[in-house]
Amino acid sequence: AAGVIQSPRHLIKEKRETATLKCYPIPRHDTVYWYQQGPGQDPQFLISFYEKMQSDKGSIPDRFSAQQFSDYHSELNMSSLELGDSALYFCASSARDWRTEQFFGPGTRLTVL
Amino acid sequence: GESVGLHLPTLSVQEGDNSIINCAYSNSASDYFIWYKQESGKGPQFIIDIRSNMDKRQGQRVTVLLNKTVKHLSLQIAATQPGDSAVYFCAENIDSGGSNYKLTFGKGTLLTVNP
Repeated sequence: AAGVIQSPRHLIKEKRETATLKCYPIPRHDTVYWYQQGPGQDPQFLISFYEKMQSDKGSIPDRFSAQQFSDYHSELNMSSLELGDSALYFCASSARDWRTEQFFGPGTRLTVL
Repeated sequence: GESVGLHLPTLSVQEGDNSIINCAYSNSASDYFIWYKQESGKGPQFIIDIRSNMDKRQGQRVTVLLNKTVKHLSLQIAATQPGDSAVYFCAENIDSGGSNYKLTFGKGTLLTVNP
């Protein structure tokens, strides 16, 4: 069965650089969620999109932005990277249904040097 | 602020034993909970969920118990196997309106199964 695809799987950047993370949801899933997981931490919700519109926002820095495209894939854009941005970034998708399970992708490991 | 948290950060059990992982939550409005398993380098994997109108739900080798009175839930794994070794998170799914079903995760518990 198709799963959530994230790219790249690993990314190394320098401070103050920019990064773009991509997420391809499971086919026919129209909701995408982004989570950040620091080392040894629990995942923290960043932002979500439903039908290409931002549906909720969590602890996402102003340096980050995201969008969902017409094919439902989503991109998380991160600018002015800081050392503290080093983390695993997960994307999850769900279908438009009440209490539908969120399926997580394998994550993108971002390292900021 | 309101959060979901775990009592024990680590749990070590012998293969074949039963495991119990606990989680406390503080948001009395929470009405849906999920347990996730996360193996090293991988994304969280859904294990089992429970709605607040239930106090117990069983899956294959796993049972989730919910005690709304004390805002506590637990995950029981029967006959724990080495493949069960992972970090386990409880998560709270709050319906904040519309299609907003963001997850609030608790602190994970590292389960280690000794052969």
